[in-house]
Amino acid sequence: EPEVTQTPSHQVTQMGQEVILRCVPISNHLYFYWYRQILGQKVEFLVSFYNNEISEKSEIFDDQFSVERPDGSNFTLKIRSTKLEDSAMYFCASIATSLDEQFFGPGTRLTVL
Amino acid sequence: QQQVKQSPQSLIVQKGGISIINCAYENTAFDYFPWYQQFPGKGPALLIAIRPDVSEKKEGRFTISFNKSAKQFSLHIMDSQPGDSATYFCAASKGSGGYQKVTFGTGTKLQVIP
Repeated sequence: EPEVTQTPSHQVTQMGQEVILRCVPISNHLYFYWYRQILGQKVEFLVSFYNNEISEKSEIFDDQFSVERPDGSNFTLKIRSTKLEDSAMYFCASIATSLDEQFFGPGTRLTVL
Repeated sequence: QQQVKQSPQSLIVQKGGISIINCAYENTAFDYFPWYQQFPGKGPALLIAIRPDVSEKKEGRFTISFNKSAKQFSLHIMDSQPGDSATYFCAASKGSGGYQKVTFGTGTKLQVIP
């Protein structure tokens, strides 16, 4: 069964450093999303991406965040200068059409020290 | 108005019992209500979903009840099993145009004891 994959599974970084989280959505999917989940809390929407541009972003997704689809398979989330409060699980999701359910990846645990 | 409220925060049920999780929403523009199941270290996985044109949807041991006028919906897990032990999130979205961001509830940690 096709699945969304994410790398790395765990990323540890120093505050102020840049990180790039990588996702490979399901191959025929067209819509892509990033969510985050601070430990023990709910999953929060960050950004949606369609047709090579951001469709919607939350207030969490400030100028420190950016997304990119550099090739036909990868979808990345970049945090330019990480803060302690960026420590969370980051989930990538994708759907084939706007009427389908979102499929979530296993997540990347980001720890900012 | 974008929030989805969920209760209880945690739930312990005996094997074979019924687990009930409740959710409420404010935004009447929501038209798709999924439930996600999350095991530790894993991403949320779609369990069952409903649209507001029906009041109930059943898939196996899982049933969603939906009350559009009260803006409430609930998940019932019949004959709960230890393997159902996970965190359950209700959610809502406006499902059109590719802007299908999902707004999650706060989650319910379910423990089914033998």
